Amino acid sequence: GIQVEQSPPDLILQEGANSTLRCNFSDSVNNLQWFHQNPWGQLINLFYIPSGTKQNGRLSATTVATERYSLLYISSSQTTDSGVYFCAVEPPVGQNFVFGPGTRLSVLP
Amino acid sequence: NAGVMQNPRHLVRRRGQEARLRCSPMKGHSHVYWYRQLPEEGLKFMVYLQKENIIDESGMPKERFSAEFPKEGPSILRIQQVVRGDSAAYFCASSPRGYYEQYFGPGTRLTVT
Repeated sequence: GIQVEQSPPDLILQEGANSTLRCNFSDSVNNLQWFHQNPWGQLINLFYIPSGTKQNGRLSATTVATERYSLLYISSSQTTDSGVYFCAVEPPVGQNFVFGPGTRLSVLP
Repeated sequence: NAGVMQNPRHLVRRRGQEARLRCSPMKGHSHVYWYRQLPEEGLKFMVYLQKENIIDESGMPKERFSAEFPKEGPSILRIQQVVRGDSAAYFCASSPRGYYEQYFGPGTRLTVT
């Protein structure tokens, strides 16, 4: 089945710093989502981005499906950005989402 | 517009008991997905259901686990004769159509003692 890798596995930032998280996948995908799991365990939808670029406030994401990767950019990070960031990919039609292992982000005040 | 609802949020069961987890999808969503997250790991797909139908159960353990999504009422994930290895967070997601953007509930944290 499809393999999903995320890098870096862990990231520590000072408040105000910028960061880029990466998601690589081993095969073509129909869809891709980015999620933030906060320290209380709740999963929050960030982007539904099978291709192209989207922005939402301090966050933006780019997916280059032909090269099998997606990037999540966090600018001017805040302590509330701490948690684990997952990408999930949907292989070709008829198969369900496969989650990556996540990037654990800690933003220090 | 209420999001995906799951209950209970926390559930403690002794080994051998049954666990029943409930999921009410977002209004207008008829597709439900269940995932399991073991401590310090990512989410693993278990089952995908539409009203009264199981579409894909390729991620469900063959024994003790079952899921349903009746015409009326919430989707239920049922675990019979729980064992310690079933301790995990179980998340439900819903979408307005199949293989589309999914919205997640807050999860049910199952602890088996």
